[in-house]
Formats: sequence, structure tokens, C-alpha cells
Amino acid sequence: ETGVTQTPRHLVMGMTNKKSLKCEQHLGHNAMYWYKQSAKKPLELMFVYNFKEQTENNSVPSRFSPECPNSSHLFLHLHTLQPEDSALYLCASSQVLGDEAFFGQGTRLTVV
Amino acid sequence: KNEVEQSPQNLTAQEGEFITINCSYSVGISALHWLQQHPGGGIVSLFMLSSGKKKHGRLIATINIQEKHSSLHITASHPRDSAVYICAVRFGNEKLTFGTGTRLTIIP
Repeated sequence: ETGVTQTPRHLVMGMTNKKSLKCEQHLGHNAMYWYKQSAKKPLELMFVYNFKEQTENNSVPSRFSPECPNSSHLFLHLHTLQPEDSALYLCASSQVLGDEAFFGQGTRLTVV
Repeated sequence: KNEVEQSPQNLTAQEGEFITINCSYSVGISALHWLQQHPGGGIVSLFMLSSGKKKHGRLIATINIQEKHSSLHITASHPRDSAVYICAVRFGNEKLTFGTGTRLTIIP
């Protein structure tokens, strides 16, 4: 248990659906991150938030929409996804940007 | 180009064996991380280091700045050590760059 909780753990959605992934940490960290891990590929950073402000969008398609209402919560809103978006989506947090990161268990997303 | 390479990609060993996983990178870095990912997908940070050596239990991580190389060692390996081990480096102030991971399987 790392202190970073992601829900749901598994999600199957159709290409026309709208769903949201949730990440929560009560570690007092100020930076939060969304990563994507596709099969046989390295982790890819998607978004970075620092003190609730987005500081990095790594050329992520607009069908992925992040939201950070406070330093403890991070959401990833999904709409009109493609089958190639099927992957493990991992949330992480760190005390400050660039510091050691604590990861959640991930949400395994399947787009059908 | 900032690159991270890990070797081997896959490693199978008998319980009790000494394990070494390697990570090489292309240019100078500000920090290197070793991460462990279990089959369920969750990732645990094992070490963050920028020089020298760190030890935690049966795990040892070393880094050689001049050779741009780091190793993760596991002593007295156990089946519960079976996981994917990922090396990640930070080049300057840039975002973390991840290796493709080493899949370790320890056979009882």
C-alpha cells in the first residue's frame, strides 16, 4: 500500500462512452501525475499537476481530459476513446515536482 | 537523444541466486530511480539515487556516474521478488524517461 488509491481497478468501455478515472492521495503531496503504460512499451507521462495547476501536457489527445480539484485528488475524464487507448493508467504523487514518486495500483482500461 | 536501456529484458533464476539488473543511459542525469511493478500493475519506488550506493534489505542499488550505468542487485532471491523492475532517469530538469523493464522470475 503506497498511499495512492486509484479507482476503478478495471474498466471496460465502449468507444462512445464517457467515464472517469479517479486518483486520491492523503500523503500531503503537492505534485500528481498521470502515466499510461501500453503493452511492451515504457511508461509514458501524460499530465503533471503541481499545487492543482497543470504544468505539463505531454501532447495527449483531447479525448483525455484531466482535472485536479485539489492537491489530494486527480481525475482523468475519458470520452470517445479508441481501442489503441487500452492500457494501464497509473497515477502517482510526490512531495514536490521531481521528487520520489509514489504510484497507485493503476486502472486497467479496455476500450471495445 | 536521451535514452535509457535495461538488460536483460527477461531473467529467470533459482531461489537463492544473486540477481543483477542493469541500466545504462545516454547523457548526464540528475537522478535515477529503480521501480518494481508486480503482476497486478501497481508500482513501488525502490530507490532514488544520484551517486554511490543504497541498500534496503536484500536490495542494493549502485550508480556509476562516469560510466552512465546503474545496477540493481537482489541477494538471496525469493519467488516473491518476481516482478518487472524498471529503471527511470531524469535528464536535468526534464521529465522522467523510463526503460522498458526487466521481467524477473524466481523459481522455487
